[in-house]
Amino acid sequence: DMKVTQMPRYLIKRMGENVLLECGQDMSHETMYWYRQDPGLGLQLIYISYDVDSNSEGDIPKGYRVSRKKREHFSLILDSAKTNQTSVYFCASSSTTEVFFGKGTRLTVV
Amino acid sequence: GDSVTQKEGLVTLTEGLPVMLNCTYQTIYSNAFLFWYVHYLNESPRLLLKSSTDNKRTEHQGFHATLHKSSSSFHLQKSSAQLSDSALYYCALSLGGNYKYVFGAGTRLKVIA
Repeated sequence: DMKVTQMPRYLIKRMGENVLLECGQDMSHETMYWYRQDPGLGLQLIYISYDVDSNSEGDIPKGYRVSRKKREHFSLILDSAKTNQTSVYFCASSSTTEVFFGKGTRLTVV
Repeated sequence: GDSVTQKEGLVTLTEGLPVMLNCTYQTIYSNAFLFWYVHYLNESPRLLLKSSTDNKRTEHQGFHATLHKSSSSFHLQKSSAQLSDSALYYCALSLGGNYKYVFGAGTRLKVIA
């Protein structure tokens, strides 16, 4: 069963708090991604990971960092969350021919 | 850098009318692959269509698209819209392998009765 799992699905945090979004995949894909989705902007790439400890900035990495210590897990960390980081975050992994997405985490920073 | 443009943010159609969602792209590489992803509310975005060779039509679930390298386009079409087609549609570009996927801003299709 090919699946990308994101936890939690919904999260409310106060400004300045740290946020950890977790993602797992069961397809042994080397490449994983974190995107955020905002109305009118589509899916914007935050970070891409090519394998364990091989991470690269995407288009909007400021304010985020990632961790990939196992091939099947990819975490997104917000140190000191800001209100403009309120968004829906999608984790994904890819084969050579297709991207598979999780169901998203809706993060609200108040 | 590589980019994908979806000019329409929202397309509203009456059920039964044809669907056309526009997608154009920019890349310096000739071996680009184009994709359409569909995102229904409360679900994961999922692959709808993937491009084949230049000027060849690909079809899936009633939708079709043709990659035209001469005009850098990969428009999504369907002959007759259904209410269940209402969703957010993303056009995306990749060069294959471990190359990142570049997504357009998305087009929300709203089909009304």
